[in-house]
Amino acid sequence: QQQVKQSPQSLIVQKGGISIINCAYENTAFDYFPWYQQFPGKGPALLIAIRPDVSEKKEGRFTISFNKSAKQFSLHIMDSQPGDSATYFCAASGGSNYKLTFGKGTLLTVNP
Amino acid sequence: DTAVSQTPKYLVTQMGNDKSIKCEQNLGHDTMYWYKQDSKKFLKIMFSYNNKELIINETVPNRFSPKSPDKAHLNLHINSLELGDSAVYFCASSNRRGGEKETQYFGPGTRLLVL
Repeated sequence: QQQVKQSPQSLIVQKGGISIINCAYENTAFDYFPWYQQFPGKGPALLIAIRPDVSEKKEGRFTISFNKSAKQFSLHIMDSQPGDSATYFCAASGGSNYKLTFGKGTLLTVNP
Repeated sequence: DTAVSQTPKYLVTQMGNDKSIKCEQNLGHDTMYWYKQDSKKFLKIMFSYNNKELIINETVPNRFSPKSPDKAHLNLHINSLELGDSAVYFCASSNRRGGEKETQYFGPGTRLLVL
């Protein structure tokens, strides 16, 4: 049972464009929604995270949009750069053990 | 000044062997995790320890046995290695007492190849 569904599986964007990655969750007990960025040969690193009490969070060129009623959240990367090329994972957690459930990842390629 | 470190970085071994992976964190965190990332990049949690107590134990073959000698260390021992164990294993840590209790910091990974 996949509790966090992520799309698309891969994404190619031109430099300067907007990258959008979507996630949907099923478990209404989830109350923390992070995005992790992973470069080849490296471990995932936290990029940005949101809680359900806000609908949007922005940090630099990265924005999370959150729709609690639809149980969906998305990552928007503005002015995408070749250095943003990486695999992006959405995740969700809730409950006392803070277990993170990851989406299957999106391979983003930003062409120069 | 590594935060979460893992050894070894690469591990190539034969089927049937027993191997261990070690993880250490110097962040002062109280919770540590093991994840498996398969060839399709899917990240799945295996185990988690909080203050040396096992708190997450997912459906993992009992050939995998974690051990936490103290809060800063979490090791993973794998018995009778199989081809399907080939993957990248990531250690992570977090601080459940802190403000960002859900934030997990990942190590660089151990790439295991079973031949």
